[in-house]
Amino acid sequence: SAVISQKPSRDICQRGTSLTIQCQVDSQVTMMFWYRQQPGQSLTLIATANQGSEATYESGFVIDKFPISRPNLTFSTLTVSNMSPEDSSIYLCSVLRSGGLNTEAFFGQGTRLTVV
Amino acid sequence: AQSVTQLDSHVSVSEGTPVLLRCNYSSSYSPSLFWYVQHPNKGLQLLLKYTSAATLVKGINGFEAEFKKSETSFHLTKPSAHMSDAAEYFCVVSDSGTSGTYKYIFGTGTRLKVLA
Repeated sequence: SAVISQKPSRDICQRGTSLTIQCQVDSQVTMMFWYRQQPGQSLTLIATANQGSEATYESGFVIDKFPISRPNLTFSTLTVSNMSPEDSSIYLCSVLRSGGLNTEAFFGQGTRLTVV
Repeated sequence: AQSVTQLDSHVSVSEGTPVLLRCNYSSSYSPSLFWYVQHPNKGLQLLLKYTSAATLVKGINGFEAEFKKSETSFHLTKPSAHMSDAAEYFCVVSDSGTSGTYKYIFGTGTRLKVLA
């Protein structure tokens, strides 16, 4: 298994400001992912963050809005920039362990963001 | 391309009666399939996974799912519902790297309500 710590667990932010969410993993992992879960919705992948390369963003998500850092194999940050109320969501960090058919994803507890 | 469809957004059952949560998938590759559960204000927990071994997969808390390739289905069942099963359930498909990525595609979720 993997232990994933996300900070902060929740925050209330003013529109127009930015929030950086941290994801710390208890051991080295190659692949990390950031998801968004809007209220009452499923999880949507924002981007894949691999160490040593630029993050790969999914359709509808751009680096200027959601810059990601991946400085090493145990840590990543996601910034939600220039926030608006529509950004109110739960943001989750995820990592993969093992490989091939034995690959399993583990998820952080999430960061509940409310933009007012 | 991969996708997953959860056929019911809400399911209500009486305590002690069987649970059936339906999931259909589409994948260009040999898929890995998962069911995750999310209790209110809690993180995601893996219930079970299918990775091309036995088609009937047993998971935690008495849940099981059967992979049916001919029907492209991976329905989740439990013989007898318990009050503690009330939660949101997500069906997830992944190509487990066969396309070069390990993206997890989430279904829209099924909210299970258990009536006393």
